[in-house]
Amino acid sequence: DIQLTQSPSFLSASVGDRVTITCRASQGISSYLAWYQQKPGKAPKLLIYAASTLQSGVPSRFSGSGSGTEFTLTISSLQPEDFATYYCQQLNSYPRITFGQGTRLEIK
Amino acid sequence: QVQLVESGGGVVQPGGSLRLSCAASGFTFSSYGMHWVRQAPGKGLEWVAFIRYDGSNKYYADSVKGRFTISRDNSKNTLYLQMNSLRAEDTAVYYCAKPQEARRFDPWGQGTLVTVSS
Repeated sequence: DIQLTQSPSFLSASVGDRVTITCRASQGISSYLAWYQQKPGKAPKLLIYAASTLQSGVPSRFSGSGSGTEFTLTISSLQPEDFATYYCQQLNSYPRITFGQGTRLEIK
Repeated sequence: QVQLVESGGGVVQPGGSLRLSCAASGFTFSSYGMHWVRQAPGKGLEWVAFIRYDGSNKYYADSVKGRFTISRDNSKNTLYLQMNSLRAEDTAVYYCAKPQEARRFDPWGQGTLVTVSS
């Protein structure tokens, strides 16, 4: 199975900060990576797919990059509604997909 | 718009069974494979199972293989997850999700909570 490791697992930041979350795959997955945002009690929401394609309707302050084994999700200027948990997902071994363990982003 | 609505969750004793449903609308259900994903309380996301658009192939996570069965009824636009021999570690919110071009899951249902407890 392909393992995904996110770092950090917990991040404390302030409104207006630029933050970056990293997702590393245990083997190459090309660009078969997606990012999701999840708020408490809600289903995950798609942000980025194919490593760097912004899902329709998602603010442009979110961006993704990377290929192979290392990927990043960047939020250019944190807004109050961005405080949530973020997950990466690999689809290279579709349909047996896997998720990273999550990064919890909290207000400093 | 595309909508997925799960139902069937509840409290069940260890060793018991439960069947979850996911009612789909807003798209041609019979043209898409579908997934189940779960999330234990306070934990991350775990892929559970996948079924092809026509039900011809099914895939399971090792943690549920032999105990859970994914199925679908395309005439009813409904996805199912039959869960047998339930364990405490199966306690989770179960989501159904629609894949798009095998590149992303969108949308997800709102989830249904399964609690395995005596």
